[in-house]
Amino acid sequence: VMTQTPLSLSVTPGQPASISCRSSQSLLHADGKTYLSWYLQKPGQPPQLLLYEVSNRFSGVPDRVSGSGSGTDFTLKISRVEAEDVGVYYCMQTVQLPLTFGGGTKVEIK
Amino acid sequence: QVHLVQSGAEVKKPGSSVKVSCKASGGTFSSHTINWVRQVPGQGLEWMGRIIPLLGITHYAQKFQVRVMMTADKSASTAYMELSSLTSEDTAVYYCASDPGTQGRFDPWGQGTLVTVSS
Repeated sequence: VMTQTPLSLSVTPGQPASISCRSSQSLLHADGKTYLSWYLQKPGQPPQLLLYEVSNRFSGVPDRVSGSGSGTDFTLKISRVEAEDVGVYYCMQTVQLPLTFGGGTKVEIK
Repeated sequence: QVHLVQSGAEVKKPGSSVKVSCKASGGTFSSHTINWVRQVPGQGLEWMGRIIPLLGITHYAQKFQVRVMMTADKSASTAYMELSSLTSEDTAVYYCASDPGTQGRFDPWGQGTLVTVSS
């Protein structure tokens, strides 16, 4: 089970934001990698990949978005929130079947 | 660059089946895994299962195990997801998403297919 907090976040532009994702089991695979990824779903769009294997930014993702954590506790941070960051953020584990998503965190701009 | 293009919206009767397609445009599936994720209106994302087209291997979430079938036509670079015994609770947007392996790097995603189940 993947648990995200908070459920929603209202952030002033330029301020930081942080989202937590906790897994009921360790996401560390036997190959030494940790299979936790983050997605952003903007209104009316399919989700888009932000981070994979905890902290690897996908192509085109700005460096103000970062990921950290290990084992069962993970965090996505946005150093300075911008208008384009609005949407719902999901974490997802792919270390074991079935793949599971967190419940989502809605980020809006104040 | 590969894009995933899904079939159009469907309206189905309870008890019937729906088959959604996902075509790789501008490339092929190669050795990628095609995942299917659904989203009930106003709710979160739910993984349904995946297929490795090159190998024909499938993995299904237990919730859908008995009534979902994922297939792929490698020559047409198209994956399919068929869901049977539909109920109103299956009304959702269904997405396909490509993963270069099984590491959870879902990109690209299809545009989504809205399936409405209504009598």
